Amino acid sequence: GNSVTQMEGPVTLSEEAFLTINCTYTATGYPSLFWYVQYPGEGLQLLLKATKADDKGSNKGFEATYRKETTSFHLEKGSVQVSDSAVYFCALSGVYGGSQGNLIFGKGTKLSVKP
Amino acid sequence: SQTIHQWPATLVQPVGSPLSLECTVEGTSNPNLYWYRQAAGRGLQLLFYSVGIGQISSEVPQNLSASRPQDRQFILSSKKLLLSDSGFYLCACRDNYGYTFGSGTRLTVV
Repeated sequence: GNSVTQMEGPVTLSEEAFLTINCTYTATGYPSLFWYVQYPGEGLQLLLKATKADDKGSNKGFEATYRKETTSFHLEKGSVQVSDSAVYFCALSGVYGGSQGNLIFGKGTKLSVKP
Repeated sequence: SQTIHQWPATLVQPVGSPLSLECTVEGTSNPNLYWYRQAAGRGLQLLFYSVGIGQISSEVPQNLSASRPQDRQFILSSKKLLLSDSGFYLCACRDNYGYTFGSGTRLTVV
């Protein structure tokens, strides 16, 4: 079935380090791909998305490129900040018919950035 | 833009007790509504979704039920909680503008 496999955490980095969180997916058709972020005590927020192959989503210094050939959507940031500490979820949607349109999530990766 | 109110933020309940988690949505009408759960070590799993008042679909067999008595109200319930019901519960809304999530409820069944 359709699924998302996400790098296990937790990930601990020093400020200004380079971040990569791996995400691969299994899906029929052409799903849309998302990264969501959950800051402590808050709900999930959309960080970035890509709707077709080779699209690059970007926001707040984070980037992810939709790679159909490797079925991947890895999240990267060149220089993390303490304020980036959160849980990051990779997700896909759009592979179902009908109107339910739910998201399929990875397990989440907890990122801690130390000053 | 839409806003989701979900409460409580944390809840500790004994085994066998009932459960009611409520989610209300503002700023949209006729959205699709979802309940997700994240158990320890697992991803966010879809439990229920609703495309309209009184319309509930269940994704997995379980000890829980859902109801949608009003367009912007979605309730997750159980008559008797099990230890395995512990987890993080998220309500979500989808309309033409995309998805919005509540802040979640951390449920611990003891």
